[in-house]
Amino acid sequence: DVKVTQSSRYLVKRTGEKVFLECVQDMDHENMFWYRQDPGLGLRLIYFSYDVKMKEKGDIPEGYSVSREKKERFSLILESASTNQTSMYLCASRASGRIYEQFFGPGTRLTVL
Amino acid sequence: AQRVTQPEKLLSVFKGAPVELKCNYSYSGSPELFWYVQYSRQRLQLLLRHISRESIKGFTADLNKGETSFHLKKPFAQEEDSAMYYCALSGHMGGATNKLIFGTGTLLAVQP
Repeated sequence: DVKVTQSSRYLVKRTGEKVFLECVQDMDHENMFWYRQDPGLGLRLIYFSYDVKMKEKGDIPEGYSVSREKKERFSLILESASTNQTSMYLCASRASGRIYEQFFGPGTRLTVL
Repeated sequence: AQRVTQPEKLLSVFKGAPVELKCNYSYSGSPELFWYVQYSRQRLQLLLRHISRESIKGFTADLNKGETSFHLKKPFAQEEDSAMYYCALSGHMGGATNKLIFGTGTLLAVQP
């Protein structure tokens, strides 16, 4: 059974804190993604990575950075959390190729106070 | 620009009624299209992909290149179909990988 896991289901942080969201996949997928999911806005891509140490900006990268030191792990970093980053964050992984399914983690609901 | 449009935020139907969730796309090449579903308190998961031409849980979707649409249909809705549905497009968009572009989602509510 394929698995994408995220380090926390719920997280509460204060404005200005540095926040780390961790994602691990066990499918040996090349590609990993971070999205935020907001009502009425759907899924918006923050960053993605197609290989170890490689990363590309998605549609809304401002205020975020990422790290991929190992193939199975993709971290999302909020350098200085702000209240407008309160959201559901979804990690996903996918094998290379257009036709392949993207597998999602359970999500982390982040609240920034 | 590559885009996926789901015009309805909410679709409410009665049990047994037909369902059609609309999806239109904009893409200059040959797209691959998917429907993803998120049931309450569950993770987002693939429902079906156009290349498979299969029916999953009674749902079907046909790619219409002339109308650039990929509507999701089911002849008789069930209460357990209530969920958020996302249409997604995959294509080569530069860079070294193919990304999925998602629509904004349609919440399907099936009333008893």
